[in-house]
Amino acid sequence: EPEVTQTPSHQVTQMGQEVILRCVPISNHLYFYWYRQILGQKVEFLVSFYNNEISEKSEIFDDQFSVERPDGSNFTLKIRSTKLEDSAMYFCASSEFDSYGYTFGSGTRLTVV
Amino acid sequence: GQQVMQIPQYQHVQEGEDFTTYCNSSTTLSNIQWYKQRPGGHPVFLIQLVKSGEVKKQKRLTFQFGEAKKNSSLHITATQTTDVGTYFCAGQSSDSWGKLQFGAGTQVVVTP
Repeated sequence: EPEVTQTPSHQVTQMGQEVILRCVPISNHLYFYWYRQILGQKVEFLVSFYNNEISEKSEIFDDQFSVERPDGSNFTLKIRSTKLEDSAMYFCASSEFDSYGYTFGSGTRLTVV
Repeated sequence: GQQVMQIPQYQHVQEGEDFTTYCNSSTTLSNIQWYKQRPGGHPVFLIQLVKSGEVKKQKRLTFQFGEAKKNSSLHITATQTTDVGTYFCAGQSSDSWGKLQFGAGTQVVVTP
């Protein structure tokens, strides 16, 4: 069964550093998303992306965050200057149709120290 | 903004028993989806409901979408240990393209 692949599985970074989280969505999917989940809490929407542009973003997705689809297969989330409160599991997801039946990746656990 | 609330937060079930988890939205939804997340895992899509009053079944799982399209439920019969995990509902409103609002989830623990 097709999978969404995320790397790395775990990233530890110092506060103030930039991180890039990488995702390879399912190849025939057109819609891409980033969500995050702070330990034991609910899954929070960050951003949706379609046709090479952001469709919608949440209040969490401020100027420190950016997304890119650099080469037609990868989908990246960049956090420019990490804060302690950015520590969370970050999930990439993709779907063939708008907001239908997301396939989530296994996540990147980001720890900011 | 749109809020999706889920109850109960925790559900302890004896193996073989039935239980129901409920989801309520502050706004009318265009669709609602259900996901299951095993401990340490990622959310896995279970089902999407679109029509008012829709009922869908997957083996022992029954999903329902309310007539007003603001609430939903998941009912599991004859719970098994494989049902352990957190069940999330996630709603999309018609004016919020590309965004699913997840509920807080119901964490299910099954005792043999």
